[in-house]
Amino acid sequence: DAKTTQPPSMDCAEGRAANLPCNHSTISGNEYVYWYRQIHSQGPQYIIHGLKNNETNEMASLIITEDRKSSTLILPHATLRDTAVYYCIVTYGSSNTGKLIFGQGTTLQVKP
Amino acid sequence: DTAVSQTPKYLVTQMGNDKSIKCEQNLGHDTMYWYKQDSKKFLKIMFSYNNKELIINETVPNRFSPKSPDKAHLNLHINSLELGDSAVYFCASSQSDTLDGYTFGSGTRLTVV
Repeated sequence: DAKTTQPPSMDCAEGRAANLPCNHSTISGNEYVYWYRQIHSQGPQYIIHGLKNNETNEMASLIITEDRKSSTLILPHATLRDTAVYYCIVTYGSSNTGKLIFGQGTTLQVKP
Repeated sequence: DTAVSQTPKYLVTQMGNDKSIKCEQNLGHDTMYWYKQDSKKFLKIMFSYNNKELIINETVPNRFSPKSPDKAHLNLHINSLELGDSAVYFCASSQSDTLDGYTFGSGTRLTVV
């Protein structure tokens, strides 16, 4: 089972920041938080990951609370093309031992 | 283009048939995966191979047999197809000694009639 809890759906106005929350209260010390998204009918796309520090890349920012029990993915200026299902996944970093377990994710609808 | 490519993109077949889905990655990754996404949109891992060796097998029926001829290819053969096998199958790859995310293919939509 997925180790994360996300709201099933969210709306965001185009051009505004989209803040997607994720709870992972049972995360262990060496597990990372990864975010992926799946745009309709396409394969999932990696967005960002972090361990305990906040992270930023060209796609998004990831804010992880100090106790690491929750995190927030921030899309700073959402566009219509950001409409997708967003998955928050907790996993070990090494693909030899970890595997991505997808939950239901959050369906983000960006509206004009 | 660097990518994970799957063929075919669509596959419609009758119950009882045997079919294969092919996957190739040119990213130089050493680990490849098969995921199944059912009609309820749940994505579930089926198999994982690292350097041609099976490392994850998630209690998938024996009718499903993955084959990795080299670390750039991971094919999925399905025997005696059943209606419940209808789903979208995604191939993915990653590099085991990095923290980089997985790269997924665009999926194969299998419909069993």
